[in-house]
Amino acid sequence: GENVEQHPSTLSVQEGDSAVIKCTYSDSASNYFPWYKQELGKRPQLIIDIRSNVGEKKDQRIAVTLNKTAKHFSLHITETQPEDSAVYFCAASPDFGNEKLTFGTGTRLTIIP
Amino acid sequence: DAGITQSPRYKITETGRQVTLMCHQTWSHSYMFWYRQDLGHGLRLIYYSAAADITDKGEVPDGYVVSRSKTENFPLTLESATRSQTSVYFCASSFPGELFFGEGSRLTVL
Repeated sequence: GENVEQHPSTLSVQEGDSAVIKCTYSDSASNYFPWYKQELGKRPQLIIDIRSNVGEKKDQRIAVTLNKTAKHFSLHITETQPEDSAVYFCAASPDFGNEKLTFGTGTRLTIIP
Repeated sequence: DAGITQSPRYKITETGRQVTLMCHQTWSHSYMFWYRQDLGHGLRLIYYSAAADITDKGEVPDGYVVSRSKTENFPLTLESATRSQTSVYFCASSFPGELFFGEGSRLTVL
């Protein structure tokens, strides 16, 4: 089955700086890579996703990049703000619409004011 | 309100007891899932269901039982709870490409 590794497990950045979270996956058949954000005590929520036919996707201050050859993908957050503090999970699945996601172990991001 | 709800939100039980966590969604989504969240392990899939009366094992199914007689309900039962099943349990349903999670059920097994 699929195995998703996520690094780092914790990350602290100064407010206004950028944050990068990296994930690698094992199954070359995976084609859909979403990212979920979980604020303290809340449920995980989808923030951005990318499919294998796209190398990069942006949505305001967040962006995801995908390197299918190397089997890794990353989340980039620019101009970080206190509300970005949360746990972020990457995930992979064989296809968009295939809901059986394999999640990474999560990254706790702390924004230092 | 429409959405996905879990009950109970908090539960303390003892080793060997049976526990059922309930999950209800109002969207009529076909797929439903149960995940457990543990520090250092992220979200691990326990069981999922593609439709009523269709269920399948995920990554960590041992010690758990599910059923889905109606599209909107997907209960998770721990037949004989163990301390290793202390965790936060999330139910989810999906619209293609996105999981919608419930608020979670924190279970403590003493």
